[in-house]
Amino acid sequence: TQLLEQSPQFLSIQEGENLTVYCNSSSVFSSLQWYRQEPGEGPVLLVTVVTGGEVKKLKRLTFQFGDARKDSSLHITAAQPGDTGLYLCAGARTTGNQFYFGTGTSLTVIP
Amino acid sequence: DTAVSQTPKYLVTQMGNDKSIKCEQNLGHDTMYWYKQDSKKFLKIMFSYNNKELIINETVPNRFSPKSPDKAHLNLHINSLELGDSAVYFCASSQVVNYGYTFGSGTRLTVV
Repeated sequence: TQLLEQSPQFLSIQEGENLTVYCNSSSVFSSLQWYRQEPGEGPVLLVTVVTGGEVKKLKRLTFQFGDARKDSSLHITAAQPGDTGLYLCAGARTTGNQFYFGTGTSLTVIP
Repeated sequence: DTAVSQTPKYLVTQMGNDKSIKCEQNLGHDTMYWYKQDSKKFLKIMFSYNNKELIINETVPNRFSPKSPDKAHLNLHINSLELGDSAVYFCASSQVVNYGYTFGSGTRLTVV
């Protein structure tokens, strides 16, 4: 069992649809990040959330940190083919100096 | 101007060989990392260096040896390569960990 479990593992949707990706854990995190990784490239940071209940928006992407700082969600509105990629959450423990990555969600947006 | 660069991009080698992967960052970050991404796309930390000092050494076979000649470089040497070492290896750097990692584009290692 991984520290951070993401669901769904795979998601294939039509352009224009909405979707939500979940990142869950039984551990508390001091901060949580979301990354997107495209084929042949390294993950790229999208957002960092640090406060329980925090909501951040990045254009059509909305990120939320759970009140108890154990989980997070990523919601994409009106998905576009350019959103296709592997989405990874990563959490930093309240102590320590590294991020633990989630199991990943592979998103395909069909034109 | 690439922020975190790794070489080579692809590496195909036979079992038992020794190989190295090089990483350089020009961001002025103090901390550098090696991550391994398996076939299921799971990213697991291997090592972390802060200002040339090893601070994280996860459960990694001692065939893997990181070396940091200065805070801008972190290389990974692997001895006696095994089939199970096949994966994508990512180098990353960060200044303040909460600000996130900057990753290189990865090295796809295939052991045959």
